[in-house]
Amino acid sequence: GAVVSQHPSWVICKSGTSVKIECRSLDFQATTMFWYRQFPKQSLMLMATSNEGSKATYEQGVEKDKFLINHASLTLSTLTVTSAHPEDSSFYICSASTDEPVSAFFGQGTRLTVV
Amino acid sequence: GNSVTQMEGPVTLSEEAFLTINCTYTATGYPSLFWYVQYPGEGLQLLLKATKADDKGSNKGFEATYRKETTSFHLEKGSVQVSDSAVYFCALSDTGFQKLVFGTGTRLLVSP
Repeated sequence: GAVVSQHPSWVICKSGTSVKIECRSLDFQATTMFWYRQFPKQSLMLMATSNEGSKATYEQGVEKDKFLINHASLTLSTLTVTSAHPEDSSFYICSASTDEPVSAFFGQGTRLTVV
Repeated sequence: GNSVTQMEGPVTLSEEAFLTINCTYTATGYPSLFWYVQYPGEGLQLLLKATKADDKGSNKGFEATYRKETTSFHLEKGSVQVSDSAVYFCALSDTGFQKLVFGTGTRLLVSP
């Protein structure tokens, strides 16, 4: 099946710094990529939807200036957590969708810890 | 809004036992329903799906039936294996694979 690679798998950063997470579709071109966030013992929550070459669409309650999404190509989307704080510590997962056939493929996730 | 509720884990079973993981949903309209599985260190993988009422999704011995009357999509397998140990997520979408709404996930542990 199609492979989505997410990097890094885990990261620890200091409060106030920024962290970039990459999501790549390795063997297909993704029309749309999605970013999810998961708190312990809670559901994956959709943060934003991004289409190549256009601005991301953020879900209600997600700060777009805090979570910068760039979708520069059909195989790469990045999520930058700016000025990270401990409450941003979470598990972030990306997915990439295809139109034909219609499906979605997930990365392995990135565990972010802000200290 | 749409939501998914699934049973808390972990679910601990012996090999060859029968598995049921309950999933119920709340949605306007007629969503598509999914089960995803996440093996340790890997991304979520689509296990099975159903797109309309009474559809049965099946894959790798797992089955789930879209029950509109009970708004449920319970995951079942007749005989689990150690290799089935993973976290299972129930999800729905009313836009194909766009904007998936997930349950909290259920960890399954199968011992030899």
